[in-house]
Amino acid sequence: DARVTQTPRHKVTEMGQEVTMRCQPILGHNTVFWYRQTMMQGLELLAYFRNRAPLDDSGMPKDRFSAEMPDATLATLKIQPSEPRDSAVYFCASGLGNRDEQYFGPGTRLTVT
Amino acid sequence: AQRVTQPEKLLSVFKGAPVELKCNYSYSGSPELFWYVQYSRQRLQLLLRHISRESIKGFTADLNKGETSFHLKKPFAQEEDSAMYYCALAQGAQKLVFGQGTRLTINP
Repeated sequence: DARVTQTPRHKVTEMGQEVTMRCQPILGHNTVFWYRQTMMQGLELLAYFRNRAPLDDSGMPKDRFSAEMPDATLATLKIQPSEPRDSAVYFCASGLGNRDEQYFGPGTRLTVT
Repeated sequence: AQRVTQPEKLLSVFKGAPVELKCNYSYSGSPELFWYVQYSRQRLQLLLRHISRESIKGFTADLNKGETSFHLKKPFAQEEDSAMYYCALAQGAQKLVFGQGTRLTINP
């Protein structure tokens, strides 16, 4: 049963530190999404890729966030420097695009103190 | 701007009672809508999509373009339906815009 994996599952860090979250999409999926979930905003799309190329990162604070896909099996989301307001659950999802179902990872719960 | 609104953050009903989770959307194009569900300690997963017009776990949702709504309904709630439910709108070819979610609690 193929699944999206994310590491780490939990991360506690101090303000100002760099945070890197990783995602392994389902093999064969060509579209990868990064979402942030908070109580106040719900689920927000941060960025997404198709065939490893970034298509939309308009939901991402550009000054501190960056998202990349170094290869087809790995997507990364980096925050540098981190701030307390970045505390949230970050989800990765993958799919075949074209309004197909998105398959979500378990999420990374980030706490910035 | 495309937007999905779920007016109820929390909804609590008794087992066996009907349940309706509301979802309204604004979109200038031809909408495609979904309901995703997140059960406790599980990952977010697709529950149903309007184009398939099927019932999943007893849930149905009808797209009403006149009222711009896509409410999720079930005639008889079960305790295992307790979860977080998100309504989502496909924007363009691939991007999903999610509502803020409704936490449904089914009381025994």
